[in-house]
Amino acid sequence: DAKTTQPPSMDCAEGRAANLPCNHSTISGNEYVYWYRQIHSQGPQYIIHGLKNNETNEMASLIITEDRKSSTLILPHATLRDTAVYYCIVRVAGSSNTGKLIFGQGTTLQVKP
Amino acid sequence: NAGVTQTPKFQVLKTGQSMTLQCAQDMNHNSMYWYRQDPGMGLRLIYYSASEGTTDKGEVPNGYNVSRLNKREFSLRLESAAPSQTSVYFCASSESFRDRLYNEQFFGPGTRLTVL
Repeated sequence: DAKTTQPPSMDCAEGRAANLPCNHSTISGNEYVYWYRQIHSQGPQYIIHGLKNNETNEMASLIITEDRKSSTLILPHATLRDTAVYYCIVRVAGSSNTGKLIFGQGTTLQVKP
Repeated sequence: NAGVTQTPKFQVLKTGQSMTLQCAQDMNHNSMYWYRQDPGMGLRLIYYSASEGTTDKGEVPNGYNVSRLNKREFSLRLESAAPSQTSVYFCASSESFRDRLYNEQFFGPGTRLTVL
């Protein structure tokens, strides 16, 4: 599975969009980009995933560059409850993979009033 | 629907003691996982069970054993606890990787273990 690089920390004002970057320059053609977050002391929570097209769900949007070497998770209107560590994970999906997730150190997002 | 449950929530052990961490899921998932998280670090995979009856080592399996008791339950055992095993332990489950293109994992609330 490809390695990812994320900034260790970011701040965002409440109500503004939070844009969290992730570099995955060694990503392979069959590897998906996943985002999870971990609110303090809780288990991680799935946010979104994508292969090459941009994706949106009720929690966030995922923008993947055309060369797939980087992506951005967007929380459109950040709230104080979005303060968490955000993990970008790249892995192969489907029957050839056992489902393991390899977590890095993530980005600590602090949403401020 | 409780999701993934873990017991106990907290535990303090002395070096050399043994204990078993319990995990159960009620989502009829085939795959289950055990992770550990040390302070300021991301999660690291200890063991996983892709389906009932199978278990495999993850990144950091030394000092641990697992049992997939049935489809619902996946336990983690420390035979002789060491201070280096002080950590927060998370259990997770997911649907069969053969049935879906992606693999959303659902995590339990964690067990906070201190080994003195």
